[in-house]
Amino acid sequence: GQNIDQPTEMTATEGAIVQINCTYQTSGFNGLFWYQQHAGEAPTFLSYNVLDGLEEKGRFSSFLSRSKGYSYLLLKELQMKDSASYLCAVRDFSGNTGKLIFGQGTTLQVKP
Amino acid sequence: DGGITQSPKYLFRKEGQNVTLSCEQNLNHDAMYWYRQDPGQGLRLIYYSQIVNDFQKGDIAEGYSVSREKKESFPLTVTSAQKNPTAFYLCATKTNTGELFFGEGSRLTVL
Repeated sequence: GQNIDQPTEMTATEGAIVQINCTYQTSGFNGLFWYQQHAGEAPTFLSYNVLDGLEEKGRFSSFLSRSKGYSYLLLKELQMKDSASYLCAVRDFSGNTGKLIFGQGTTLQVKP
Repeated sequence: DGGITQSPKYLFRKEGQNVTLSCEQNLNHDAMYWYRQDPGQGLRLIYYSQIVNDFQKGDIAEGYSVSREKKESFPLTVTSAQKNPTAFYLCATKTNTGELFFGEGSRLTVL
């Protein structure tokens, strides 16, 4: 079966660092994606990992371990505007359909 | 500017009515997707289309229908057979680098 787990909610302080974890069990694997979604808006793409290791993009970094079925999104120097839901999604390897399977999302609240 | 246009942004429907949500893109992307989002749940795939005149059911296709007569357009019809249609509906295309690019969404409420 397909299963993607993320914490439901997290709280952090402005200026701090927060790590959002994602574990997955899928029938195939062809990449892991992180999206940011502000309330009532569309998800926007943050990062993509297909090989093990860390991908850094400004204040955001994403890590993948395929053997452990594990990823995390690291947000540094938190800003109030980072308050949003963060969605972990896995692309399975079924015929290059591009379908993504999403976790339930982690709602991050940044406090002053 | 290239993008995805979903309309209407908000829609109210009485029980027993069919409604059609529009999704138009000018990005020249082949693959298009419809996802549904409910509070506290992740996005769930309804239908997807990899090419014109072809589409496939996703995980929750019951009560929905689609068409793909043009590359730019992938409308979703929510039929009266969908028992719990109140949700946020998101249309997306697959970019050349493989990630999904989403439209602004349509929020459907059944009265």
